[in-house]
Amino acid sequence: QQQVKQSPQSLIVQKGGISIINCAYENTAFDYFPWYQQFPGKGPALLIAIRPDVSEKKEGRFTISFNKSAKQFSLHIMDSQPGDSATYFCAAWGGGENKLTFGTGTQLKVEL
Amino acid sequence: DGGITQSPKYLFRKEGQNVTLSCEQNLNHDAMYWYRQDPGQGLRLIYYSQIVNDFQKGDIAEGYSVSREKKESFPLTVTSAQKNPTAFYLCASSTGTGGSPLHFGNGTRLTVT
Repeated sequence: QQQVKQSPQSLIVQKGGISIINCAYENTAFDYFPWYQQFPGKGPALLIAIRPDVSEKKEGRFTISFNKSAKQFSLHIMDSQPGDSATYFCAAWGGGENKLTFGTGTQLKVEL
Repeated sequence: DGGITQSPKYLFRKEGQNVTLSCEQNLNHDAMYWYRQDPGQGLRLIYYSQIVNDFQKGDIAEGYSVSREKKESFPLTVTSAQKNPTAFYLCASSTGTGGSPLHFGNGTRLTVT
């Protein structure tokens, strides 16, 4: 079974700090790496995504860093805000199948 | 307003009963997916369909069944054979092309006692 390993499981950050969530994958055939944000009682929503030919992508306070040789990618949330408190999932698409494989999620809490 | 509608939001069933979860989309997407979410386990794929009248098993298909008779609809039946059915179920859709984003519904929380 294809896997995407995500860490940490939970994270507490002070307001204004940087939140960092890491993911690692095994299958080099994965070709699209999105991050999803989920609030309690809601479905996940796409936050930001990257393809393996790019090492970094930034959208506002959210940045994906991608290391193809290490098969790792991470989400950085700059100037973290209480409204960013949510569960974050990394994912990987492809690997020979038309489906998205998710990491186990990180519960982020941003404290005042 | 386009999107995915899952109903009901909460569902309660007795053990041994089959139950069907509804998922409807008006995004004109070809592909639809069912995920199960449990604490600490992320989202696990149950079934997916890339086109009407065709579907494939995901990673945890045992004890579940689906149909795809219409492009807009992808109902999931949780059968009595599913050993641990209590969970949060999420339906999603996408255009189906490589790397297209998934649009999720707001889920159905199923409790089986």
